[in-house]
Amino acid sequence: DTAVSQTPKYLVTQMGNDKSIKCEQNLGHDTMYWYKQDSKKFLKIMFSYNNKELIINETVPNRFSPKSPDKAHLNLHINSLELGDSAVYFCASSQEGKGGEAFFGQGTRLTVV
Amino acid sequence: QKEVEQDPGPLSVPEGAIVSLNCTYSNSAFQYFMWYRQYSRKGPELLMYTYSSGNKEDGRFTAQVDKSSKYISLFIRDSQPSDSATYLCAMRTNNNAGNMLTFGGGTRLMVKP
Repeated sequence: DTAVSQTPKYLVTQMGNDKSIKCEQNLGHDTMYWYKQDSKKFLKIMFSYNNKELIINETVPNRFSPKSPDKAHLNLHINSLELGDSAVYFCASSQEGKGGEAFFGQGTRLTVV
Repeated sequence: QKEVEQDPGPLSVPEGAIVSLNCTYSNSAFQYFMWYRQYSRKGPELLMYTYSSGNKEDGRFTAQVDKSSKYISLFIRDSQPSDSATYLCAMRTNNNAGNMLTFGGGTRLMVKP
């Protein structure tokens, strides 16, 4: 009964490839996020999405795109992977109107070789 | 200068000690403050959530917010080896489109038996 789950847990791929990471939440939350954690443990927001709008952090390259088939899912597509994309990617969710406290998945460790 | 500053540590304490973890921030519009605990190779886990200034206690954990000084703290009483983890502070404004959180870089805590 994991609240926020993402797959795969580990992903190793070559430069130039296109890959996707899936995320699902069963908390009934209406907002989902993607965060990136670099090697220094710094967590940075990439996207925030609910059924009304997509908010994009302006520093995120347009090779990254979120896709939401429904309220409980927010997948992350990455095109033309680069070495610098190697990081841990976390999906999270929260309920709009409350304090915004987010609940995180276990992370996907992406390694681009 | 980052919006949220946090000493990376590591902070090493003996079991049973009182631990003080801190963050400073520059954006006076931050209203919601959170502390997350992250074990190695796991997702961040919400520990404490505080709105505006004041104290909040939950078991061995106490969160303090001093908005006049732009300073927040997390105290851990009777620290245990199982408390060894990275502690991340996070915050957001009241009118934040997308409910996105801004994180500190995390403090690594080691509690030695």
